[in-house]
Amino acid sequence: QSVLTQPPSASGTPGQRVTISCSGSSSNIGSNYVYWYQQLPGTAPKLLIYRNNQRPSGVPDRFSGSKSGTSASLAISGLRSEDEADYYCAAWDDSLSGGVFGGGTKLTVL
Amino acid sequence: QVQLVQSGAEVKKPGASVKVSCKASGYTFTSYDINWVRQATGQGLEWMGWMNPNSGNTGYAQKFQGRVTMTRNTSISTAYMELSSLRSEDTAVYYCARGYSSWYEALNFDYWGQGTLVTVSS
Repeated sequence: QSVLTQPPSASGTPGQRVTISCSGSSSNIGSNYVYWYQQLPGTAPKLLIYRNNQRPSGVPDRFSGSKSGTSASLAISGLRSEDEADYYCAAWDDSLSGGVFGGGTKLTVL
Repeated sequence: QVQLVQSGAEVKKPGASVKVSCKASGYTFTSYDINWVRQATGQGLEWMGWMNPNSGNTGYAQKFQGRVTMTRNTSISTAYMELSSLRSEDTAVYYCARGYSSWYEALNFDYWGQGTLVTVSS
């Protein structure tokens, strides 16, 4: 049972917009930045979004992040086949004094 | 270019210890934290802890307190993660990741190692 809650799966067709949610609490998302990672099969995770809604250089602007209260979301617009991957949210948890990840969401491009 | 290169796969027996290395290049090793994250097969990511290579200060997830030790050798820009009293549930891919020392950037991991598979089996 992960501290941050994500839906186990999501799907969409090419060109569609998909949103992945991440629910936490006041001790993590509610008081700290949220980060999003993309993990393609058999590879290390890659930073997708930092500080709630910032994109590292090289990440397409099709990816966007938002946060409201104790929840966060990752939106992917103009869905492409290469977006098929696992997506994880992460945040620092003040109560645990440690980092926590969501359980991950497997995105399928139909 | 920034690179984190980890040591090779390990097979250990229950009760043993494993030490995984993470060699950094392409940046000043002591300017960024090194974090360790593990992933069991088919499972999600699990944060294990952080180490500041400059000071040697560490912070461990409660789950691993007493079993994990993170160290470094600054002369060769290498970080280490040692996990003791191994059990089958510790079978996973272990990643090192570059992070930031500031609290608000605690989960900002911009570069990752390739991962090291540790198998615990009798």
